[in-house]
Amino acid sequence: AQSVTQLGSHVSVSEGALVLLRCNYSSSVPPYLFWYVQYPNQGLQLLLKYTTGATLVKGINGFEAEFKKSETSFHLTKPSAHMSDAAEYFCAVSAQFGNEKLTFGTGTRLTIIP
Amino acid sequence: NAGVTQTPKFQVLKTGQSMTLQCAQDMNHNSMYWYRQDPGMGLRLIYYSASEGTTDKGEVPNGYNVSRLNKREFSLRLESAAPSQTSVYFCASSEGLQGYQPQHFGDGTRLSIL
Repeated sequence: AQSVTQLGSHVSVSEGALVLLRCNYSSSVPPYLFWYVQYPNQGLQLLLKYTTGATLVKGINGFEAEFKKSETSFHLTKPSAHMSDAAEYFCAVSAQFGNEKLTFGTGTRLTIIP
Repeated sequence: NAGVTQTPKFQVLKTGQSMTLQCAQDMNHNSMYWYRQDPGMGLRLIYYSASEGTTDKGEVPNGYNVSRLNKREFSLRLESAAPSQTSVYFCASSEGLQGYQPQHFGDGTRLSIL
């Protein structure tokens, strides 16, 4: 079985500061990893994904994440927060083989302080 | 460029009433999904359809039925609504079931059961 843990249901950062949202996963097979963003009253949008190859992946809006197999982590970062980054962020895992479907974490709400 | 369209956007029902949530995608995707989103619980898969003509249960299927009407449309039916089904429902689609395929989400249906 696979699972995702997002540390911190709420994170606040000042505008211009580093954004770090933490995600740890558990999977018995090699994973595919995703970050999605949800703005108020909207559906989820894909930010970035890791499938194979380069472990540092870049996404939209200046976000990036690094797959660290030894730490079973896929933390999301952005060097400088903008007010428009305020949203809820979901980490998700799926398996490279087998029948398990996409499994989401419980989400982290990011607040940007002016 | 509509993507995934869900109707209605909001609905209030009384306990025991029935209703169908509609979902349509215009991306020629093979696979479609229904999720529910509850506070602090992330997204949980209700049902999915790998391709036209097939449907399968997800993590929380009890109290729901689905129909894959054609390649574009995938509906979710509540036969006898219960207060525990108060939630935000999201439809999603992807090119296929392969784990690396990202999912594309609609804007959700906010459903309250009184």
